[in-house]
Amino acid sequence: GENVEQHPSTLSVQEGDSAVIKCTYSDSASNYFPWYKQELGKRPQLIIDIRSNVGEKKDQRIAVTLNKTAKHFSLHITETQPEDSAVYFCAAWGLTGGGNKLTFGTGTQLKVEL
Amino acid sequence: NAGVMQNPRHLVRRRGQEARLRCSPMKGHSHVYWYRQLPEEGLKFMVYLQKENIIDESGMPKERFSAEFPKEGPSILRIQQVVRGDSAAYFCASSFRQLGHDTEAFFGQGTRLTVV
Repeated sequence: GENVEQHPSTLSVQEGDSAVIKCTYSDSASNYFPWYKQELGKRPQLIIDIRSNVGEKKDQRIAVTLNKTAKHFSLHITETQPEDSAVYFCAAWGLTGGGNKLTFGTGTQLKVEL
Repeated sequence: NAGVMQNPRHLVRRRGQEARLRCSPMKGHSHVYWYRQLPEEGLKFMVYLQKENIIDESGMPKERFSAEFPKEGPSILRIQQVVRGDSAAYFCASSFRQLGHDTEAFFGQGTRLTVV
């Protein structure tokens, strides 16, 4: 089935710096890759997603890139702010091999320090 | 649109009791996904349902766990004879179409199950 690996598990940056989180997936048939932000005790919230027919997508300070050949995708947050501190999860939607499910990475605890 | 609604938010059960977790998807959504999250861990897939059908239950334990999504009413995740290891946050998500088809999945607030 689909396997999603996520790195790093923790990331500490200074306010205003950029943060990059990387994920790899195993199922070459996967075609949808969302990113979720989860604050302590709250629900995962969709922040950006990308589909396999594009290589990059940007929404204000957040961008996601996808390399289908290498089977990896990354989240980039620029000009980080304290409110960006949370756990970020990548995910991949697989239809063949991995079955009909959204498989999540293990999460990255991002801490933005003042 | 009220979003994905889960209840109860918190549920305490004694070992051996049954737990019933409810999920009402967003209006118009007919695809529901259940996930389990242990403290400080990731989201583990349990089951994917469409109205009246189980599409993928490969993440669900074979015993004690069951899920349904009837034609009318919320999706129900049922855990029989709970054990301490079932203590976790259970999240459901819903989408308008299957996720590979230009749609997104939105999560509910979760049900935090504690087995004592």
